[in-house]
Amino acid sequence: GESVGLHLPTLSVQEGDNSIINCAYSNSASDYFIWYKQESGKGPQFIIDIRSNMDKRQGQRVTVLLNKTVKHLSLQIAATQPGDSAVYFCAEIPPQGGSEKLVFGKGTKLTVNP
Amino acid sequence: EPEVTQTPSHQVTQMGQEVILRCVPISNHLYFYWYRQILGQKVEFLVSFYNNEISEKSEIFDDQFSVERPDGSNFTLKIRSTKLEDSAMYFCASSGFAGYEQYFGPGTRLTVT
Repeated sequence: GESVGLHLPTLSVQEGDNSIINCAYSNSASDYFIWYKQESGKGPQFIIDIRSNMDKRQGQRVTVLLNKTVKHLSLQIAATQPGDSAVYFCAEIPPQGGSEKLVFGKGTKLTVNP
Repeated sequence: EPEVTQTPSHQVTQMGQEVILRCVPISNHLYFYWYRQILGQKVEFLVSFYNNEISEKSEIFDDQFSVERPDGSNFTLKIRSTKLEDSAMYFCASSGFAGYEQYFGPGTRLTVT
């Protein structure tokens, strides 16, 4: 079925360390994925996206890796800062023809310790 | 930087009442969405809207719900005869391309008492 799930509900890192947030997806035919950051009381904030024809995409301090063989997505945050503390969601668009809906995972709460 | 805005930020209503949640999408976007997030749960898709009609809706989006783009800037979600289980954060999103790079608003917290 269509579902996106996360391995770890919480992640705690020290400021300055690199963070890796993981996501497993179930639909091997999904072709588009997004990472969102959600701070308390706010809406999901777009971080980075990747299409299935790519394995890796880099942004500012963030890298998304897509492993289609094992249906795994990860978000790497370099030099994590206190402002990175939030819940991170991965989301996918299922492969139903013309679908536009995002299917979200449950989220991982990242805590950055000073 | 352009952003999606939503009003009100918090709406309290009594069970059985109707509410209208309002959104102003990013101005050059053509695709609009509503999602909801029950406290502590994941974000769930409700409906997508393009060219003045619904393009896709979830099983949650039943006859109790409706959407409208009353003018060139606003996008609304109407919930008729609200129920306790409608209490949630409701997020509006918009994108310039169907499905891709959806940008979310800050949400409206709906509390049904």
